Amino acid sequence: EAAVTQSPRSKVAVTGGKVTLSCHQTNNHDYMYWYRQDTGHGLRLIHYSYVADSTEKGDIPDGYKASRPSQENFSLILELASLSQTAVYFCASSDRAYSGNTLYFGEGSRLIVV
Amino acid sequence: GDQVEQSPSALSLHEGTGSALRCNFTTTMRAVQWFRKNSRGSLINLFYLASGTKENGRLKSAFDSKERYSTLHIRDAQLEDSGTYFCAADPPSGSWQLIFGSGTQLTVMP
Repeated sequence: EAAVTQSPRSKVAVTGGKVTLSCHQTNNHDYMYWYRQDTGHGLRLIHYSYVADSTEKGDIPDGYKASRPSQENFSLILELASLSQTAVYFCASSDRAYSGNTLYFGEGSRLIVV
Repeated sequence: GDQVEQSPSALSLHEGTGSALRCNFTTTMRAVQWFRKNSRGSLINLFYLASGTKENGRLKSAFDSKERYSTLHIRDAQLEDSGTYFCAADPPSGSWQLIFGSGTQLTVMP
């Protein structure tokens, strides 16, 4: 079974503060993703990466940065957290060479910005 | 507009009954995945379909790329089936980012 772990699982941050969400996968997958989920919406892609030391913008990248220092690790960075960034964030990985785009998700990180 | 429309947004079933969730697509998709959010918040992959149907236990999914829809059928619903279900579509060639539906909150009642 694929393993994607996120940390922290829950965080309360102050408006204007910096938040880093970390993701670690042990699947040997090339592709990693950060999504956010808001009530009434499906998951929306923030950033993704298909190789270490490179990241790409997803559908809603504004206000977020990403870092992929290694194949296993992918971080999402909120330099100046805002109230609108309160959401649940999911990290995922996939091996595009295997069975299409089957995604393996982490358990989510609940961020509350106050 | 949204490329993936999932319905219903909420569904209540009594144990032992069944129903279907549906996702309509505004364009031709290469494939679809169905997920369930488990009690720990993680998304569990239920099905991946590039065409046709797949069945796993009490769940069955179908995908028709030409008609632009996918369904997830649940039969003999059990209490543990409660949760949020998402479909996610694999866009046409050139883009490999999944587009998620807004989810269906399923509640199974005794």
